[in-house]
Amino acid sequence: GQNIDQPTEMTATEGAIVQINCTYQTSGFNGLFWYQQHAGEAPTFLSYNVLDGLEEKGRFSSFLSRSKGYSYLLLKELQMKDSASYLCAVRDAGNNRKLIWGLGTSLAVNP
Amino acid sequence: ETGVTQTPRHLVMGMTNKKSLKCEQHLGHNAMYWYKQSAKKPLELMFVYSLEERVENNSVPSRFSPECPNSSHLFLHLHTLQPEDSALYLCASSQDVRGAEAFFGQGTRLTVV
Repeated sequence: GQNIDQPTEMTATEGAIVQINCTYQTSGFNGLFWYQQHAGEAPTFLSYNVLDGLEEKGRFSSFLSRSKGYSYLLLKELQMKDSASYLCAVRDAGNNRKLIWGLGTSLAVNP
Repeated sequence: ETGVTQTPRHLVMGMTNKKSLKCEQHLGHNAMYWYKQSAKKPLELMFVYSLEERVENNSVPSRFSPECPNSSHLFLHLHTLQPEDSALYLCASSQDVRGAEAFFGQGTRLTVV
């Protein structure tokens, strides 16, 4: 079956670094997305990985290993405003329209 | 206005009511989507429209009826809903159905009583 796993909750300290992991088992693969969603707001796009390796974008980086079915989102120099839910989603190769979503990781950044 | 706008932001309706959710995008995108987000469940894709044509319907009950009159507007017509339909309904758009990035609206929080 299709499955995306990510931790339910994480806690970190302002100024620190946190890594949010995502593992997936899907029938095909055509890209992995990370979205950020603050409570009561729309999900916003953070990153897209389709090839193995690290993509860096400011304080946020995303890594992909297709052979391991694994990705992580790395957040550096954490700020209070980074407290949000982080959603991992995989695009199925069999149907380019269909994204398979994880439940999201709720990150709390404490002072 | 820019981005993806959804109205209303909150809606409470009885099981015998008929209501509609509206989504509008000002991004010039060709693909639009309806998602359902429930507590402790992953985002569920409901419908996909590409150039005003419905290209995907993920086994959604007929009490949900989408309409896409043009590439900028998307509606979700609701009738005889059940309490378990209470959720956050999110609209999104992307350049096309294979677009790498989807832009979401802020959603309509629906409560069925």
